[in-house]
Amino acid sequence: DTGVSQDPRHKITKRGQNVTFRCDPISEHNRLYWYRQTLGQGPEFLTYFQNEAQLEKSRLLSDRFSAERPKGSFSTLEIQRTEQGDSAMYLCASTQLGLVLKETQYFGPGTRLLVL
Amino acid sequence: KQEVTQIPAALSVPEGENLVLNCSFTDSAIYNLQWFRQDPGKGLTSLLLIQSSQREQTSGRLNASLDKSSGRSTLYIAASQPGDSATYLCAVQGGSEKLVFGKGTKLTVNP
Repeated sequence: DTGVSQDPRHKITKRGQNVTFRCDPISEHNRLYWYRQTLGQGPEFLTYFQNEAQLEKSRLLSDRFSAERPKGSFSTLEIQRTEQGDSAMYLCASTQLGLVLKETQYFGPGTRLLVL
Repeated sequence: KQEVTQIPAALSVPEGENLVLNCSFTDSAIYNLQWFRQDPGKGLTSLLLIQSSQREQTSGRLNASLDKSSGRSTLYIAASQPGDSATYLCAVQGGSEKLVFGKGTKLTVNP
């Protein structure tokens, strides 16, 4: 299967700890996105990369959050000093930059974070 | 600020019924609109993407329409099956790269 993969699928941590999630996009896709989804809500945009450049960040991405895509392939999302309000599903998506039209984003299975 | 609303929030139908899910958005300056399916605890699966210049898209038993000027889209599911049970999410993409999602419609198809 060559879809978007995320690791880990589940993470339980204590408040104040740091956590890091990894996303591997579809291999030929140059754009990678992070979204956060809480229970009963639709996903909310956090940030996106084109190759290794982080081009847009949401105001939801506080200074405790940092995302990287060092070689334009996989990406990591780190949350420092986790809070209970960070509990959510973190979704990664990827797409190929279209020459004319914006293309669909392909989503991974998500990482579910629970902060105790 | 773009806002996306989906009605109804939940829908329960008997197997075999045709049904319509609704999506509305506040800013008509969009590039495209997408419908996704999400199974419990899982990621999103893209169902249909309608570019802003298009009026509708079809895939199998699914048909999505777009009326950009009125800020509305509908997803029509024909001959519903229990396997269609899931949450259906509508998302719009404007000048930014981000998708703006509604809260979804939770569909239950009863055998």
